[in-house]
Amino acid sequence: KQEVTQIPAALSVPEGENLVLNCSFTDSAIYNLQWFRQDPGKGLTSLLLIQSSQREQTSGRLNASLDKSSGRSTLYIAASQPGDSATYLCAVPMDSSYKLIFGSGTRLLVRP
Amino acid sequence: NAGVMQNPRHLVRRRGQEARLRCSPMKGHSHVYWYRQLPEEGLKFMVYLQKENIIDESGMPKERFSAEFPKEGPSILRIQQVVRGDSAAYFCASSPETGTYSGNTIYFGEGSWLTVV
Repeated sequence: KQEVTQIPAALSVPEGENLVLNCSFTDSAIYNLQWFRQDPGKGLTSLLLIQSSQREQTSGRLNASLDKSSGRSTLYIAASQPGDSATYLCAVPMDSSYKLIFGSGTRLLVRP
Repeated sequence: NAGVMQNPRHLVRRRGQEARLRCSPMKGHSHVYWYRQLPEEGLKFMVYLQKENIIDESGMPKERFSAEFPKEGPSILRIQQVVRGDSAAYFCASSPETGTYSGNTIYFGEGSWLTVV
């Protein structure tokens, strides 16, 4: 049974820091992995989708890496800004499908 | 090009009442998924529907919960005889034909927050 874990549960950093969020999964046979952002009281915004054949994806100041063999993904945020404050969720699809299994998220606070 | 639309955004119900949550998928999307997010937890899959068909309801509680996606109109998640433990955020998502497996991302609505008092 696939389980997705995210650490840390919460993170507070000063503005400008580079930071890394971690996501681990127990079954390495995944098709892809997605990182989402969730703002308080809001829905989810997809940030990056990494296919199983890829090692990393980049979008602006965000870089996500995937190591299937070790069951890990990291989301790297460069030069963090207060506007990056949100909860970051990673998710993998169950089997080959549409059902996503989510981690419980990392709540990020970037202090001005 | 509207995204996934959910309503109501916030709903308060007394114990024993019914809650109906609606979801209109993105234009051109025929696959709808419902997820539930309990306080301080991640999202949990509930049900996957296509027009007039429930494809997978393995995440739905066996009692009081039902979902539909009629030929016309939005998808509806219905919770009968609500209890305090049903208080949560309910998210709807939609995808194009091929869904996550092919690499198309799933698009989420902004959620419906149900509070049972």
